[in-house]
Amino acid sequence: AQSVTQLDSHVSVSEGTPVLLRCNYSSSYSPSLFWYVQHPNKGLQLLLKYTSAATLVKGINGFEAEFKKSETSFHLTKPSAHMSDAAEYFCVVKGDNQGGKLIFGQGTELSVKP
Amino acid sequence: KAGVTQTPRYLIKTRGQQVTLSCSPISGHRSVSWYQQTPGQGLQFLFEYFSETQRNKGNFPGRFSGRQFSNSRSEMNVSTLELGDSALYLCASSFTGSRVDTQYFGPGTRLTVL
Repeated sequence: AQSVTQLDSHVSVSEGTPVLLRCNYSSSYSPSLFWYVQHPNKGLQLLLKYTSAATLVKGINGFEAEFKKSETSFHLTKPSAHMSDAAEYFCVVKGDNQGGKLIFGQGTELSVKP
Repeated sequence: KAGVTQTPRYLIKTRGQQVTLSCSPISGHRSVSWYQQTPGQGLQFLFEYFSETQRNKGNFPGRFSGRQFSNSRSEMNVSTLELGDSALYLCASSFTGSRVDTQYFGPGTRLTVL
């Protein structure tokens, strides 16, 4: 069975400072991992995905994540936060034989202070 | 290329009624998945359709059903609505729903049950 845990329900940073959103996963299979972002009253937008190629994955808008199998982690980072990054972020896992089923974490709300 | 579209965007129903939501996937995508998003439960998988067949199902009561047409468009139906069915319903499409396939989300249908 797969599961994903986002370690912080809310993260607050100042504009221009680094962002770290933490995610741990559990999977019986070699998983695919995703980060999605949701702005208020909008659908979900893919930031990046890991599918067993390079362990450091670069995404859109300057975000990146590193897959660490030994730590079962897939943390999302960005060197410098912008006001427009304020949103809810979801870490997602998908395993083999699951078809299109995605397992979502509970989400981390990112606030960016001016 | 047009994205995933969902209609209607907003719905208000009363308890006991039924509702049908529609999803048009990205052209060429054959897998369509549905998710329910609520503040308390987060994002939960409802079901997935691939080539007009339900391939996966989440832990929801039988009041929740769906179907997929030959052009890959999908509908979901909720019968005998309950207050707890108030939620944002998100549809996602991908080429095949495989482990490495990216799912693209629509803007959602906001259902309010009074």
